[in-house]
Amino acid sequence: DAKTTQPNSMESNEEEPVHLPCNHSTISGTDYIHWYRQLPSQGPEYVIHGLTSNVNNRMASLAIAEDRKSSTLILHRATLRDAAVYYCILRSLTGTASKLTFGTGTRLQVTL
Amino acid sequence: GAVVSQHPSRVICKSGTSVKIECRSLDFQATTMFWYRQFPKQSLMLMATSNEGSKATYEQGVEKDKFLINHASLTLSTLTVTSAHPEDSSFYICSARFWDRGGNTIYFGEGSWLTVV
Repeated sequence: DAKTTQPNSMESNEEEPVHLPCNHSTISGTDYIHWYRQLPSQGPEYVIHGLTSNVNNRMASLAIAEDRKSSTLILHRATLRDAAVYYCILRSLTGTASKLTFGTGTRLQVTL
Repeated sequence: GAVVSQHPSRVICKSGTSVKIECRSLDFQATTMFWYRQFPKQSLMLMATSNEGSKATYEQGVEKDKFLINHASLTLSTLTVTSAHPEDSSFYICSARFWDRGGNTIYFGEGSWLTVV
């Protein structure tokens, strides 16, 4: 599986936008970019995913570089409830299982 | 999004006994479920892929005779930790693949804390 690189941690003030970067220089043409987040003592929560075009949903936006070697998860207005570990994961839809392999993620701290 | 539920959320068992954790897809059918283990301050580690009606596929280094997986129906997969030891204490998380018009997305359960004493 192609790997992703994320900063270990980031901080943000509440009500401000947050840009969480992810590098995936070895991404293949069949890899989708998925983002999940995990709050303390909970299972991961799906945030967003995309292939080539930027994507928006009620939780966040995903900006994908033209060469697809990096992407950025954008939280438009961070709240204290957004404090979590954010995982950027490449998921290929080839093969039988299309499983998710987690890296170390970015721990986001949100302060007042 | 689709809902995946685990039970129990917390369990304490004695060393040497077996414990079963259930994973259910509540509002959809899941032919494929995944089991993960997470130790404190660490990331999720995939243990196995559970396929309805067939044998599970285990990741390298995971003992299939110790971590028994059964996926007997389209909405239920179970993980049984056999002859549990304190080092098996961990957060166990399942996930299920949900198919919709846009393809498929994987949703996770709430996780189950296992403490072996």
